[in-house]
Amino acid sequence: AQKVTQAQTEISVVEKEDVTLDCVYETRDTTYYLFWYKQPPSGELVFLIRRNSFDEQNEISGRYSWNFQKSTSSFNFTITASQVVDSAVYFCALSEAQGDYKLSFGAGTTVTVRA
Amino acid sequence: EAGVTQFPSHSVIEKGQTVTLRCDPISGHDNLYWYRRVMGKEIKFLLHFVKESKQDESGMPNNRFLAERTGGTYSTLKVQPAELEDSGVYFCASSQGTGGVTETQYFGPGTRLLVL
Repeated sequence: AQKVTQAQTEISVVEKEDVTLDCVYETRDTTYYLFWYKQPPSGELVFLIRRNSFDEQNEISGRYSWNFQKSTSSFNFTITASQVVDSAVYFCALSEAQGDYKLSFGAGTTVTVRA
Repeated sequence: EAGVTQFPSHSVIEKGQTVTLRCDPISGHDNLYWYRRVMGKEIKFLLHFVKESKQDESGMPNNRFLAERTGGTYSTLKVQPAELEDSGVYFCASSQGTGGVTETQYFGPGTRLLVL
């Protein structure tokens, strides 16, 4: 069963627009972690954020913000005032204590920011 | 501090040949993971080492894949013989421990494998 669903395959925006990436997860574990990774055109996976299941506090880091809601099993990611350098594939991932913390990834959302 | 490194960055081989991928984790990281992304699909877990021991190899697709971690340092992933469906990007990640703030996995740049 798919543990992480990223329903949006591709999103295209014009520079300075906001973009929100959806992530819905599924787990029976009470202890789990959620992640977002960015894969720029160069190919490496860059860690962006990690949240644990006991901390629903939303987080903001510069133009990036994350909204974690356990009630809807969602961990959405918003880029405010997007820039061309934000163009990348973004992956949401889940790791579970009972799964030995291996990551289960969503399919990824390709974000294209046009100048 | 050096990040996770992988070698080679690209490999093109013919079906039936052998390829060995190498991963050097971040120094001090006991956990080492291999993942792969095949043909634009999801990134899938292959296996997990804790130091030199295989903790979980449930994601290894078949016995053509052999992973080792010598002395709990670097790891190799050998594919022998390679098949067309093995083409994809192989990622390595490492983390310091399990649970708490040390659990974040940091990824290498990946090895792009193409089997012709």
